Amino acid sequence: QKEVEQDPGPLSVPEGAIVSLNCTYSNSAFQYFMWYRQYSRKGPELLMYTYSSGNKEDGRFTAQVDKSSKYISLFIRDSQPSDSATYLCAMSPYNAGNNRKLIWGLGTSLAVNP
Amino acid sequence: GAGVSQTPSNKVTEKGKYVELRCDPISGHTALYWYRQSLGQGPEFLIYFQGTGAADDSGLPNDRFFAVRPEGSVSTLKIQRTERGDSAVYLCASSLNFAGGPGELFFGEGSRLTVL
Repeated sequence: QKEVEQDPGPLSVPEGAIVSLNCTYSNSAFQYFMWYRQYSRKGPELLMYTYSSGNKEDGRFTAQVDKSSKYISLFIRDSQPSDSATYLCAMSPYNAGNNRKLIWGLGTSLAVNP
Repeated sequence: GAGVSQTPSNKVTEKGKYVELRCDPISGHTALYWYRQSLGQGPEFLIYFQGTGAADDSGLPNDRFFAVRPEGSVSTLKIQRTERGDSAVYLCASSLNFAGGPGELFFGEGSRLTVL
């Protein structure tokens, strides 16, 4: 079993829809949870960064972390064609010493159709 | 430059050849990372530098892979005796040094390596 599981999709939605993306994980030591967006042939770019459990909102994006269920989600409201990309979740345990590596999901491919 | 710069953007080589991939991080970023991303996969950690030293090289798959960052800025990933399985996009990222947590990673566009 992988440490981080993410459904690769593809997910196709009409413009304006609410999109729900999620990841599950097995390592209870994970404390930092991130969502990155990756356009084709580009590097990932950070969308949301959360520490421990709870919700965080930034514009049309909301990230949720449920550590008791080992489940994280990203919601996109009023989705736009420009949101079409691959969304990757990434996680890291508490930064003790030099442990900076991120563990990534496979990424979910999203297409928002005009 | 404003972002992380990686060269070459594309590299095609033959099995058994030696390859160098270069990364120029954002100015002032002390932390530098190399990741490898295969088609349909998430990035896979290779190595992390803090300044000039490799703080964590646990992700390097074998001794054919080596990376340096001699002056604490530009880094080079070196792959000896390339194999077809090394074909992937090699991503470099840099970040500021935070006291806790990994911080935000800024990625380059990657070097796409194809081994024939």
